[in-house]
Amino acid sequence: DAKTTQPPSMDCAEGRAANLPCNHSTISGNEYVYWYRQIHSQGPQYIIHGLKNNETNEMASLIITEDRKSSTLILPHATLRDTAVYYCIVQSGNQFYFGTGTSLTVIP
Amino acid sequence: DTEVTQTPKHLVMGMTNKKSLKCEQHMGHRAMYWYKQKAKKPPELMFVYSYEKLSINESVPSRFSPECPNSSLLNLHLHALQPEDSALYLCASSQGFPSTDTQYFGPGTRLTVL
Repeated sequence: DAKTTQPPSMDCAEGRAANLPCNHSTISGNEYVYWYRQIHSQGPQYIIHGLKNNETNEMASLIITEDRKSSTLILPHATLRDTAVYYCIVQSGNQFYFGTGTSLTVIP
Repeated sequence: DTEVTQTPKHLVMGMTNKKSLKCEQHMGHRAMYWYKQKAKKPPELMFVYSYEKLSINESVPSRFSPECPNSSLLNLHLHALQPEDSALYLCASSQGFPSTDTQYFGPGTRLTVL
């Protein structure tokens, strides 16, 4: 059973914020949420991760709901180079459980 | 430096060939991973090595044989593959295992089996 569900695709205008949702309704209390992206079948690139609190780094922000059943990755000012497949992942001790990914297209 | 390198970048092999994929990291990580990724699908875990010992084998066919000669190197030996084994093979590493550490991925080897 999939631990995460994501919309298959999204569009975002260049310069606007991209908000990518993820549902992980069966997440356990000690399991982290990770986000990676993959461009043109290169290796996945780490973006951000969190457990309970919202997190921000130079690439993105991660908003996790209080019940931890869903999260949103926010790219504050999307550029054309942000066009990629974004994976929401639940990390359960031993392993990464990848979602099916959201293909984000940033439109000029 | 958060770089994981993989060679070769592309590999084409026949079903009777023997070939190897190589992965290297110099971040001092003690856990290394092999993933297989088919087109338009997420990566699927194949093997995990922790402190140079095989920790997880996700029921991978024996025609795939992993090897961890030292803490920086990870190989995947391939023999008698099938065309359906064509995929992107990704290597990753993390500080420890099991842990909540971030995994760092290499660029992958694009394998085509004829």
